[in-house]
Amino acid sequence: GAGVSQSPRYKVAKRGQDVALRCDPISGHVSLFWYQQALGQGPEFLTYFQNEAQLDKSGLPSDRFFAERPEGSVSTLKIQRTQQEDSAVYLCASSLPRDRTEAFFGQGTRLTVV
Amino acid sequence: SQQGEEDPQALSIQEGENATMNCSYKTSINNLQWYRQNSGRGLVHLILIRSNEREKHSGRLRVTLDTSKKSSSLLITASRAADTASYFCATGFNKFYFGSGTKLNVKP
Repeated sequence: GAGVSQSPRYKVAKRGQDVALRCDPISGHVSLFWYQQALGQGPEFLTYFQNEAQLDKSGLPSDRFFAERPEGSVSTLKIQRTQQEDSAVYLCASSLPRDRTEAFFGQGTRLTVV
Repeated sequence: SQQGEEDPQALSIQEGENATMNCSYKTSINNLQWYRQNSGRGLVHLILIRSNEREKHSGRLRVTLDTSKKSSSLLITASRAADTASYFCATGFNKFYFGSGTKLNVKP
C-alpha cells in the first residue's frame, strides 16, 4: 500500500476486555515497530520485528501485551484484560532494512479503556 | 536512557516568523531525527542528521547538531499556519527514543 495502515482508528474497550490492533506495513518493509503514545507525551517503544522475528520486546509494559507478525507482513498487537492505564494511541511504523533509520508511521489506533 | 527532550514544551508565533526548537539527549548517538505530528495523526519524518554532521537543510528546515553538548536544534523559517503541530526529536537505531515534543502553534 501507499503507507502504513492501522485499524481500527478508534477502539473503546471495557476494562477487562481483550483487544487486537492491526498494522499493515508498507509493502516490502522488513522492519516493523509498535509504539505507545500517552496523551501529551512522545511515543514509547514497545516492540520491534524484523520479518517474522520479534527481535526486541523490551518495551512491552506487561505480559498482558503480546505482538505477532507470523508471515512477516501484517502485525497484530494484542492486549489482554485491558486496564485504564492502557488508554493511549498505539502507533505502528515500518522501514526498509537498508534505511532502518527512517521509519514511516501509521496514523495510530486510539484505545480508550472505560 | 537515550531519550531526547525538547524545549520549549510549547511555542506560539505569528505566521512568517521563525520557530526554533531544541532537543537534548543523554548518550552518544549515530544520528538524530526530527519528526512532526499533526493532532490525531501519525508521525512524519522531517530530517535526519548524522553524528558527523553539524548542520543540515531541507527546504525551510534547518537542523544543527552539537555532539559535545548533546543537543540539536530545529529551525523552521518563514513559518506557516500549516506548520502548527508537535515536533519530536528521536535518537536510537531500530528502537527510537522520543522526547515529549514541542507543541508549535503558528497563528495566521
